[in-house]
Amino acid sequence: EPEVTQTPSHQVTQMGQEVILRCVPISNHLYFYWYRQILGQKVEFLVSFYNNEISEKSEIFDDQFSVERPDGSNFTLKIRSTKLEDSAMYFCASTGGQNQPQHFGDGTRLSIL
Amino acid sequence: DQQVKQNSPSLSVQEGRISILNCDYTNSMFDYFLWYKKYPAEGPTFLISISSIKDKNEDGRFTVFLNKSAKHLSLHIVPSQPGDSAVYFCAASPIQGAQKLVFGQGTRLTINP
Repeated sequence: EPEVTQTPSHQVTQMGQEVILRCVPISNHLYFYWYRQILGQKVEFLVSFYNNEISEKSEIFDDQFSVERPDGSNFTLKIRSTKLEDSAMYFCASTGGQNQPQHFGDGTRLSIL
Repeated sequence: DQQVKQNSPSLSVQEGRISILNCDYTNSMFDYFLWYKKYPAEGPTFLISISSIKDKNEDGRFTVFLNKSAKHLSLHIVPSQPGDSAVYFCAASPIQGAQKLVFGQGTRLTINP
């Protein structure tokens, strides 16, 4: 069964450094998302992406964050200058269309030191 | 943000019995609801969904019930199996727009042999 894949599974980065989290969504899906889960808290929406542009973003997704679909398969989340509070599990998700479920990758655990 | 609430952090059920997980929401704009299951170190796995035009959806051992007037949904698992032990998340989204998911806090289900 097709699945969303995320790399790396764990990323350790010094505060202030840039980090790029990578995702390969399911191949025929058109809508892409990033969510995060801080330890002990809810899964929360960061950004959605459709037709090569951001369709919605949360207040968490400030100028330090950006997303890109550099080719036909990858979908990346970049954090320009990481902060301690960016430490979380980051999940990528994709779906084929409206009223279809989003499918999630296994996440990247981001640890900021 | 308490738009989606799962009031039971944990639930313990005997193998073979019915497990009932509950979820409440407050936002009237939500019209698509999903249940996800999550194992440690994995991403949320889609289980079952329901749109607001229905009040019940069934898939094998899993049934989701939606009560729009009470803004309440529930997931029934019958019969419960040891492999069902996991954290279950309720999520909701509006059909219009980017369809970002709003998650509940999760309920840890333990199936006892």
